Amino acid sequence: EDKVVQSPLSLVVHEGDTVTLNCSYEVTNFRSLLWYKQEKKAPTFLFMLTSSGIEKKSGRLSSILDKKELFSILNITATQTGDSAVYLCAGGATNKLIFGTGTLLAVQP
Amino acid sequence: SAVISQKPSRDICQRGTSLTIQCQVDSQVTMMFWYRQQPGQSLTLIATANQGSEATYESGFVIDKFPISRPNLTFSTLTVSNMSPEDSSIYLCSVEDRQGGSYNEQFFGPGTRLTVL
Repeated sequence: EDKVVQSPLSLVVHEGDTVTLNCSYEVTNFRSLLWYKQEKKAPTFLFMLTSSGIEKKSGRLSSILDKKELFSILNITATQTGDSAVYLCAGGATNKLIFGTGTLLAVQP
Repeated sequence: SAVISQKPSRDICQRGTSLTIQCQVDSQVTMMFWYRQQPGQSLTLIATANQGSEATYESGFVIDKFPISRPNLTFSTLTVSNMSPEDSSIYLCSVEDRQGGSYNEQFFGPGTRLTVL
């Protein structure tokens, strides 16, 4: 059965800290690994990774995929209160995404 | 990326009734999907909305409970039928445009928060 596991389940940090969120996956017909940020209802797209070892960056966020170890991380540097959200990881298969349960990040001033 | 709207944004319904949720995209897209997110849970795919044919349902979801329409490449509806309190969830549509050969890159609508009393 396909599964995506995220850790930690929740995290509390202070502004300026750096955080690393983890995602492991077992997905049949794996194509890609996606990260989303969910603040209220709608997940907003962050990254899609398809190749191992190639870091993707967007501002203070970066992510990398290890297809050998079936693992991805999302890094956020110099965290801000606006980074507080649930971060979702999803494994992309042929016609679907399989989501993890998310990491709840709280950034305190 | 495509701009996606959903209606209604929220609703409170009585058990035994049905609610139809609409998803509208500002451009033609190849794939449209419907997800459910129960309280405290992650997103679960209900079905893929296929243009011009019946939707493809995931295990645990059936057409009688969640009928789906997709009359064209920019619009889809999901109906939650004969609702019970267990159907209280956020319902999300997402789109994926495969015209450029890019698979899996899905973008989500704003969601519909449904509460069943």
